[in-house]
Amino acid sequence: AQSVAQPEDQVNVAEGNPLTVKCTYSVSGNPYLFWYVQYPNRGLQFLLKYITGDNLVKGSYGFEAEFNKSQTSFHLKKPSALVSDSALYFCAVGDSWGKLQFGAGTQVVVTP
Amino acid sequence: SAVISQKPSRDICQRGTSLTIQCQVDSQVTMMFWYRQQPGQSLTLIATANQGSEATYESGFVIDKFPISRPNLTFSTLTVSNLSPEDSSIYLCSAGDSGDSYEQYFGPGTRLTVT
Repeated sequence: AQSVAQPEDQVNVAEGNPLTVKCTYSVSGNPYLFWYVQYPNRGLQFLLKYITGDNLVKGSYGFEAEFNKSQTSFHLKKPSALVSDSALYFCAVGDSWGKLQFGAGTQVVVTP
Repeated sequence: SAVISQKPSRDICQRGTSLTIQCQVDSQVTMMFWYRQQPGQSLTLIATANQGSEATYESGFVIDKFPISRPNLTFSTLTVSNLSPEDSSIYLCSAGDSGDSYEQYFGPGTRLTVT
């Protein structure tokens, strides 16, 4: 069985400050890990993924994530947050068939 | 990346009726899935839409309630049957290719309200 956890319901950050959204996972075998973002009244947008390779993954809109096998984590980061980054962020773990299991989501609020 | 459209974008339906949601992908894809996002909740996988065969349902979801069709590699429908207020959710279609590093792309969703 696989699962993913997002321990924070909401993250508040001031514009220009670093943003981190936490995610931990539990899988048997190699993990396929993803981050998606959901803006109000819009579908999910793909940000980045880790399948294999470098532990630091770079994605869309200046986001990156670090895969840490020993801590079973896949935290999403952005060096300097923008007000427009305010949205709902989902971490997900996938299997080889493409099925995704999502975390509960973390609401990011970036204040000017 | 695949571009996915869904119809309708939203609907208000009466209890006991059914709603069929269409999902169209702009390219042929191997995998198509249907998810449900209940108000204020995360996404839950309903089923895998298999081309040319019956859909594969996740635990807690059954074909009688959520019949799915997938006649070709670019199109799928999800019907939500015998609607009750608990079915009020956003329903999202996703698509991808297992050969494309497992990326899944999502449609904009269909917001269903049952009265």
